[in-house]
Amino acid sequence: ETGVTQSPTHLIKTRGQQVTLRCSSQSGHNTVSWYQQALGQGPQFIFQYYREEENGRGNFPPRFSGLQFPNYSSELNVNALLLGDSALYLCASSGEGTSPYTQYFGPGTRLTVL
Amino acid sequence: SQQGEEDPQALSIQEGENATMNCSYKTSINNLQWYRQNSGRGLVHLILIRSNEREKHSGRLRVTLDTSKKSSSLLITASRAADTASYFCATDAYGNNRLAFGKGNQVVVIP
Repeated sequence: ETGVTQSPTHLIKTRGQQVTLRCSSQSGHNTVSWYQQALGQGPQFIFQYYREEENGRGNFPPRFSGLQFPNYSSELNVNALLLGDSALYLCASSGEGTSPYTQYFGPGTRLTVL
Repeated sequence: SQQGEEDPQALSIQEGENATMNCSYKTSINNLQWYRQNSGRGLVHLILIRSNEREKHSGRLRVTLDTSKKSSSLLITASRAADTASYFCATDAYGNNRLAFGKGNQVVVIP
């Protein structure tokens, strides 16, 4: 157990819809990163938030957006869903109180787009 | 983008044997990390090796890093059935936790 939780566990949406995924970071962590993992592939970095500000972004279009809240929980929003957005979405938190650079991953949200 | 590339990508071994996985990467790094993933769920951090380190141990795990060859290896000694999982290497270019993962190694340990 890493102390990082994600909701929901599974989600089914149709093309064109919008989705919001949630992550609750481990206590004291002020940095959260989001990753997309397609089936059979390694995770790909989407973006990172530090103290409520976006702090770096991977090669993902603007329809992927995020928020980090004062309690360091966060959201990943995806608009205009495509079939290719079907994947496991992982969040990872790090910050004060952890070993340098160690990230703690949540169990993920599996998104299926039909 | 995917930076790490693990080799071999699938490994099946008997319990008690050692498992070795290799990872190559393309750009300079601050550190390299190995993760384990069970059944497509969350990733578990195994070990981190910094760019100025050559070898690191943690329990039954041994990681080596060769920055001149841009490669790393993960050795799991005396494997157990519970080690059955996918293993990923991930590079951190700037020490900012923005990781570039490889495609992963699937390891099956047969009891």
